[in-house]
Amino acid sequence: QVQLQESGPGLVKPSGTLSLTCAVSGASIISSDWFGWVRQASGKGLEWIGDIYGSGSGSTIYNPSLKSRVTISLDKSKKQFSLRLKSVTAADTAEYYCARRNSDYFDYWGQGTLVTVSS
Amino acid sequence: EIVLTQSPATLSLSPGERATLSCRASQSVRSYLAWYQQKRGQAPRLLIYDASNRATGIPARFSGSGSGTDFTLTISSLEPEDFAVYYCQQRSNWLITFGQGTRLEIK
Repeated sequence: QVQLQESGPGLVKPSGTLSLTCAVSGASIISSDWFGWVRQASGKGLEWIGDIYGSGSGSTIYNPSLKSRVTISLDKSKKQFSLRLKSVTAADTAEYYCARRNSDYFDYWGQGTLVTVSS
Repeated sequence: EIVLTQSPATLSLSPGERATLSCRASQSVRSYLAWYQQKRGQAPRLLIYDASNRATGIPARFSGSGSGTDFTLTISSLEPEDFAVYYCQQRSNWLITFGQGTRLEIK
């Protein structure tokens, strides 16, 4: 059974950097799947942040609206991948989900973690 | 960027009724479209992929259809646990977008 679990600070100061990690179990992270992040502001819809490829060079794809502030990386030895979002504002307050993307669709999701941007 | 527009925003039905949810793409996505169900306080769950294929463990009352720009998710006979928010999602030119969601509520 594939499981993903997010972890990281629940509170980040404005202009700071949001950092989250997703631990993957029950599946290889060195695979032909993509691993990514999706967020959801309270009462709002889903917003794709970006993905990283589990095989080869670890190619990344980012949402153009966030690309200048986002970095997703992969730690194969620890079976986890990470999200860094810099220069955060209150608009970045959201539930952050990590997920595995098999081909075009997200088939496994973490439970989500709430990150609040506030001083 | 391909924009997905879902309708209606809210659908009010009773258990046992048939639900029909729509997702329209701003340009063709062929059959590369998925549907997700999200219950309050939970992560989304993949229901349908490639427009019409049910994901593992999804009941047969859920079905998807369509291609190109117009897609439909049908729930043949609503169960109490089906009342939730539903999202469509596509991937094109490496970029992923979601629809804004349809809330299915109990009438």
